[in-house]
Order: sequence, then C-alpha cells, then structure tokens
Amino acid sequence: DAGVIQSPRHEVTEMGQEVTLRCKPISGHNSLFWYRQTMMRGLELLIYFNNNVPIDDSGMPEDRFSAKMPNASFSTLKIQPSEPRDSAVYFCASSSYSGATEAFFGQGTRLTVV
Amino acid sequence: AQKITQTQPGMFVQEKEAVTLDCTYDTSDQSYGLFWYKQPSSGEMIFLIYQGSYDEQNATEGRYSLNFQKARKSANLVISASQLGDSAMYFCAMKLGGTGGFKTIFGAGTRLFVKA
Repeated sequence: DAGVIQSPRHEVTEMGQEVTLRCKPISGHNSLFWYRQTMMRGLELLIYFNNNVPIDDSGMPEDRFSAKMPNASFSTLKIQPSEPRDSAVYFCASSSYSGATEAFFGQGTRLTVV
Repeated sequence: AQKITQTQPGMFVQEKEAVTLDCTYDTSDQSYGLFWYKQPSSGEMIFLIYQGSYDEQNATEGRYSLNFQKARKSANLVISASQLGDSAMYFCAMKLGGTGGFKTIFGAGTRLFVKA
C-alpha cells in the first residue's frame, strides 16, 4: 500500500480564495483524521470520521472550515474563504477501528495564505 | 478534560547517551492507548511505540522504551544510545474511544537535539 496520500503537497493562495485539501486513506482503514499543525498551537485534531461518518468536528476552528468523506477512499477539507491565519501544515491520517493501532499520517499539505 | 502535556520544549543529549522525554496525560477513561511519534525536519510523522492502558509491562521497540506509570499518568519515552539521526520533534499522543470511534490527541512536542 502506498500509505496515506495527500494532495497538494504545497498550496499558496490569496486571502479570500477557496482551498480544498484532499486525502486518500490506507485501504481498509475505517477511521480518518484531519489535523492542523502550527508553531503556536501544535497538532490540533480538527475532525475525524469513522466509516465515512463525521464523529467529532469540535476541533474545526470556524464555519469557514468544512470536511467531507463521500466514500471510504477519499476525504476533503475545504476552507472558504481562506485567511492568512489558516496558514499551516494540514495532515490527514487514517487508522483501523481499534484502540491499539497507530494512526498513519500522510505527508501533509503546507498551506500558505497571503 | 482529556489532555497530553509535554513540558520540555527542547532537549539536548550527547550522542550515544540515553535521554528521557516526559509526557503526562489526563483522562478519566479506563481504556486508552499511548503513542510516541517522531517528526524529523522533513515533516513526516513516524510512529515509534505504543502502550495500552492495561499493559502491565513497559513497551519496548529497539532503542525506544516507554516508561509507563499509570498511577502518575505518565508515559515517558526513553531513547537509549542516542544517534545524530534522532534529532527531531517528538510527540506523545493518546488514543481514546468514544461512542462513535477512536480519536488521537497530541501533546505540544519536544524538540530533541543530539550533539556529536
């Protein structure tokens, strides 16, 4: 398996534009997580899905953020409109439904909003 | 509240020496998992070691061991015989179950510098 695949790896956009980050989890994993990493706030859990259903989105910072998982092999995180303070590295991770297994991370998307 | 605390923003260690990275956690759950991840300067997140809350023995993986003290709610990572390649950010994490599934939360991380 190729692991968790995120795209794009880097995104530079202007304030106010819509940004869509994409994630393909590891086949067979039924839990998917979106994290945001910044120097100030560390790794924050934004939202996670189980069997394609959003379970907890309490970490989503604002209504400008939304996430979907239309099927088991694809998820998106959308920011509309984007703001400079959204600049961060966004990680997608997937895991099997077990308390004992680790989350496997994608390479991350480095987002810069100017 | 469910929380992971790493109180050491940065640590230095001499090559070939052992180093302990501190982690304390807070949860009222009885069942949880504790993990350590390494993030080198390239940015990827690398899983190192896992400890279950019911595991009585401390987990070990090669040069990594987890010093699990349940009563104190601590899960310190011990790296033996440090190598230059160990220089990285290290994150302690806790996996918790809920009605809908499991989630993993992370501490702020400790940056380790290995000196030659």
